[in-house]
Amino acid sequence: SQQGEEDPQALSIQEGENATMNCSYKTSINNLQWYRQNSGRGLVHLILIRSNEREKHSGRLRVTLDTSKKSSSLLITASRAADTASYFCATDAGNTGKLIFGQGTTLQVKP
Amino acid sequence: GAVVSQHPSRVICKSGTSVKIECRSLDFQATTMFWYRQFPKQSLMLMATSNEGSKATYEQGVEKDKFLINHASLTLSTLTVTSAHPEDSSFYICSARDQQYNSPLHFGNGTRLTVT
Repeated sequence: SQQGEEDPQALSIQEGENATMNCSYKTSINNLQWYRQNSGRGLVHLILIRSNEREKHSGRLRVTLDTSKKSSSLLITASRAADTASYFCATDAGNTGKLIFGQGTTLQVKP
Repeated sequence: GAVVSQHPSRVICKSGTSVKIECRSLDFQATTMFWYRQFPKQSLMLMATSNEGSKATYEQGVEKDKFLINHASLTLSTLTVTSAHPEDSSFYICSARDQQYNSPLHFGNGTRLTVT
């Protein structure tokens, strides 16, 4: 079953602009993770934020987590054409270690 | 970094035949691997959790007799799609983590299965 809803489903911006994607989930979590997928490929891990963290940075990426609202956001600053991909949030809940993925946001960055 | 290798990357088979997909952790041991399925332009759906040396745990609605999972060693899990039908055509992706919980999953590059 899918846990997360992502918003927007698709996003098209110009190079240099910032891109913000949102993710909402339904149950309590241990952590929330963001992944990137280029078309027809596997997923690449971007960032993990634990349930007791509120914000995390990695290079041009900034992730926030609001457990009271059960939501997270991923901000990509100064976007590049190479950032064009699908982005998924995934929640790690319970003690099985499995990840449940959101619906994803397809980002297009125009040169 | 941890690498997961998945093979084959693409396979075309005829209806009624079986197809085996391999997932290997190349530089770490994985007691648990996860198999996902992805339809075009959709998200990943978890199919099953593969446990080394024991039976796989299947998600609700996934036919265990249809999707046979074997995890015979700490570095290899296989997914066999038995008696494949066109509706089994999809993108299958495996993943594993090289640490305990609260750590990322490492994904293979996926297998595009087309059943004709």
